[in-house]
Parts: sequence; C-alpha cells; structure tokens
Amino acid sequence: DGGITQSPKYLFRKEGQNVTLSCEQNLNHDAMYWYRQDPGQGLRLIYYSQIVNDFQKGDIAEGYSVSREKKESFPLTVTSAQKNPTAFYLCASSIDDGARWQFFGPGTRLTVL
Amino acid sequence: GNSVTQMEGPVTLSEEAFLTINCTYTATGYPSLFWYVQYPGEGLQLLLKATKADDKGSNKGFEATYRKETTSFHLEKGSVQVSDSAVYFCALQNTGNQFYFGTGTSLTVIP
Repeated sequence: DGGITQSPKYLFRKEGQNVTLSCEQNLNHDAMYWYRQDPGQGLRLIYYSQIVNDFQKGDIAEGYSVSREKKESFPLTVTSAQKNPTAFYLCASSIDDGARWQFFGPGTRLTVL
Repeated sequence: GNSVTQMEGPVTLSEEAFLTINCTYTATGYPSLFWYVQYPGEGLQLLLKATKADDKGSNKGFEATYRKETTSFHLEKGSVQVSDSAVYFCALQNTGNQFYFGTGTSLTVIP
C-alpha cells in the first residue's frame, strides 16, 4: 500500500536537545511538506520541497532544518533554537490528478520536557 | 494574497441534524478548493475537492460547491452521524505548490 510513514508516533525529548522527525513516502510524489499544528489551531507551514536537493522556508522555519537527499524522504530536525517545540507535526506530499492536493502522514506528537 | 477563513467552532449537533460549515477564501486567479477531515490524533484526510467555479465536490454524504461569485466553499451534510465527529479544514491551492488552510472547525455529533 502506498502512503506516508511518520515515525515515531510519540516523541519525548529534553529541552536543549535536537530531535529529528522522520517522514517517508512511497507514492513517488515530487513535493513534500512539513506542518506544525498546535491545539485548536490550523496548520502552519514549516518547510516544503518541490524536488530532491531543494527546499524552501515556510511561514515558521526558524528553529527548524530539513534535508531532501532522496525523493522518498524529507526529515525534519527540531533544533534547540526552536523556542516552543512541543506540538503535533504533520508531513505531507502532493499529487496532481487534475487538481493538486496533499496526502498526509499520521503525524508525530513531540513533547519537550 | 491567498487565505482561507472558516467558521469558528466548536459545533455540536444531534445525530441526523443538518450540517453547514462555512468557508470563504481570498485568492488571485482560479484556485482549487478542498475540505480535509482530521480524526483525533491522526493526520488530515482529503474529504472532497473542486477545481473550478460551480464544481460540486462530494464524498461520504458531504458536499461543497465552488462559488466564485461569493468566494465560498461551504461544507454541508444532510444527516450527520456520531462517526462524523472530527475537525474539518477548508483549504485552497493556487499557482505553485503551496497550500493554504483554514483554522479548522471542530464538530461533535451526539447520539
């Protein structure tokens, strides 16, 4: 089955530590995205990548970094510079079947203690 | 610029009630419009979409019509079920690969 895998589902880290969230897709999609979702709020775009070895900052990129070395993978690193990292993180990729729309992974809930 | 505004929740309805969740948008050109649904602790799932004016998207009893004259894409369902309880997001996609989401509307359906 094709889809997006995000692991782990729940992640706990101590303050001051960097942490990397995994996102893998086997859908052969070119574009991938990272969003942050806080309780009762919508999605805010962190980074997106339209093609391998290229990525662009979204609305809230400060304190985050990404890489796109392979088409299938788009890991997100939450650095110690991110002031309030506790949130639900969603990875997505986009498909164009007459309309370009996004397919989402199940999300990773990061809690920084 | 591009933006989406949807009605604030939470919305609480009795089973079999009629549902409307309002969504209006601002965009240049001719965006595609979407409704996504998010169940607790999960990612977003595409519910329905429409690519041009007067298109009606439909899925699982939900419908939304792309109204360019009112820049709206309201979500409706004639008879909601307890299993429809979730958060609903309106979204648009314009030129390029960026997507714009509303803040989400929480729906709770009680038996």
